[in-house]
Amino acid sequence: GAGVSQTPSNKVTEKGKYVELRCDPISGHTALYWYRQSLGQGPEFLIYFQGTGAADDSGLPNDRFFAVRPEGSVSTLKIQRTERGDSAVYLCASSSGKNTEAFFGQGTRLTVV
Amino acid sequence: GENVEQHPSTLSVQEGDSAVIKCTYSDSASNYFPWYKQELGKRPQLIIDIRSNVGEKKDQRIAVTLNKTAKHFSLHITETQPEDSAVYFCAALSGAGSYQLTFGKGTKLSVIP
Repeated sequence: GAGVSQTPSNKVTEKGKYVELRCDPISGHTALYWYRQSLGQGPEFLIYFQGTGAADDSGLPNDRFFAVRPEGSVSTLKIQRTERGDSAVYLCASSSGKNTEAFFGQGTRLTVV
Repeated sequence: GENVEQHPSTLSVQEGDSAVIKCTYSDSASNYFPWYKQELGKRPQLIIDIRSNVGEKKDQRIAVTLNKTAKHFSLHITETQPEDSAVYFCAALSGAGSYQLTFGKGTKLSVIP
């Protein structure tokens, strides 16, 4: 596609439920990032993939959060036993290399009620 | 890890005036410093970036300066226009084997016609 695509654009879920957020990066981009942005804050790093492997997952807040990128393209962020504090916009970004421009998707707005 | 401080949090300028946003970082190994513009409800978009081997970079009305010794970098927007109104984020990427792009908390710029 022409840009980074994230689905769904909005997700409302009940506390304790499981959710999956999808990111489709720009074709050919080997690097993929997940960020979380709360209202009035800058994006907060969660995890970085280089190809299929998670090169840096130090930003994942706890073991309820997990992400995969099995074929080195599409990535899925998975959140188990969601909590109200997980509510935020989850942004995905991709780039062609480490010190190059990261292009962001529109984000998924997750609301846990 | 890296810590990025950004000031001011809000900035109002008259159309045609200049705007300056400043950021400091803590990790001396950081070597890539992008600036993103985020309009309300939209994705962050890169407006300019600088690498640690240069001190200044310009692109039309936008310039970024980097002082590695002091560990700070600044965004300069000249001849501001109403369409420059947005939230601006600075970020720093550590060069010490990390892939975390750490963002500042953002500056809400309002350009008054």
